[in-house]
Amino acid sequence: SQTIHQWPATLVQPVGSPLSLECTVEGTSNPNLYWYRQAAGRGLQLLFYSVGIGQISSEVPQNLSASRPQDRQFILSSKKLLLSDSGFYLCAWRGWTHKETQYFGPGTRLLVL
Amino acid sequence: DQQVKQNSPSLSVQEGRISILNCDYTNSMFDYFLWYKKYPAEGPTFLISISSIKDKNEDGRFTVFLNKSAKHLSLHIVPSQPGDSAVYFCALAKGGTSYGKLTFGQGTILTVHP
Repeated sequence: SQTIHQWPATLVQPVGSPLSLECTVEGTSNPNLYWYRQAAGRGLQLLFYSVGIGQISSEVPQNLSASRPQDRQFILSSKKLLLSDSGFYLCAWRGWTHKETQYFGPGTRLLVL
Repeated sequence: DQQVKQNSPSLSVQEGRISILNCDYTNSMFDYFLWYKKYPAEGPTFLISISSIKDKNEDGRFTVFLNKSAKHLSLHIVPSQPGDSAVYFCALAKGGTSYGKLTFGQGTILTVHP
């Protein structure tokens, strides 16, 4: 069965510091991968998606970037965090049985102070 | 431009009764519709989905209804249980080369009282 991992679970970072959040998927090959952010009291906003190694598409202009160095690894980064980057970050992969269905990881709560 | 709206931020229901969660959309290009359930500090869990060629899909206590002409989606939970208390998101997908991107509503907080 497929499993998706995210770490760390919680992160507190000062403004201006760098960021690296990691997501890995097990039990599937060549998945589509997605990064979402849920700001406090808001819905889920799609940030980036990737259809393959090295292929990244950005949905909204922002202070963040994404990379996919391996087939089942997706990384979210920032060189300098802003207060507005605080939120709950979720990684997801797209299933193949119901190919429009995405399955989410446990999330990373980021607090920028 | 909010393409997907869940107009009720919260819903309170008695255990055993029906919970009805609603979702409205504006873009007729959406052709696949999903509901997710989310507990605090956890990732969303997929519940049930429906394609645009159907108007109803059932899975146990959960039924999703789609009214394409009204651009309206609803989730019925019968009977509601206290463990159903969570945030419910509708999520919509466009077919074709959209790469499976989902557009989410803002969520509705469901509270089921014992």
